[in-house]
Amino acid sequence: AQSVSQHNHHVILSEAASLELGCNYSYGGTVNLFWYVQYPGQHLQLLLKYFSGDPLVKGIKGFEAEFIKSKFSFNLRKPSVQWSDTAEYFCAVNAFQTGANNLFFGTGTRLTVIP
Amino acid sequence: SQTIHQWPATLVQPVGSPLSLECTVEGTSNPNLYWYRQAAGRGLQLLFYSVGIGQISSEVPQNLSASRPQDRQFILSSKKLLLSDSGFYLCAWSVGPGLGYTFGSGTRLTVV
Repeated sequence: AQSVSQHNHHVILSEAASLELGCNYSYGGTVNLFWYVQYPGQHLQLLLKYFSGDPLVKGIKGFEAEFIKSKFSFNLRKPSVQWSDTAEYFCAVNAFQTGANNLFFGTGTRLTVIP
Repeated sequence: SQTIHQWPATLVQPVGSPLSLECTVEGTSNPNLYWYRQAAGRGLQLLFYSVGIGQISSEVPQNLSASRPQDRQFILSSKKLLLSDSGFYLCAWSVGPGLGYTFGSGTRLTVV
């Protein structure tokens, strides 16, 4: 069965600090990878996604993630965080199965940015 | 444009009472539909998914059931709620493999 691990449960940073959130998955086949963000009181929103091609993908709000196949990782990065980045971040993996494209989520990482 | 509606937004139910949460999608046909639960400290857990009317797959054994009576309607039910059913329930849809999900606004269920 697929699993997704996010080892950082809660990250606290000051504004302008750099961010890297870890995500590892366990599935040896073809995968699509996603990062979702949930701002306080809002819906889950797609931040960025990787399907194929350039393993470094850029998303909204200055976020990027790098797919490293050999490490089964898809870490999220941002060079300089802002207070408005305070949110919960979820990594998700879609392992191709017959029928539905099921996304398996990590447990999430809560990011708190201190002004 | 496609939209997804989920209701109610909050619900407080006593233990042993029934449950019915509804999710509908507009602006698309034959979507894949999903129910997730987001429990405190446990992330998002896939409960059910459906690729078509009447087709339900369960990912986790539990006290809940799902039904899809119409193409764009997905219902989460329980005959008798347990305390452990408390959580934040999210409906989502997708049009096909690898395209990611669009989530509803969620229902916060508290079983007392």
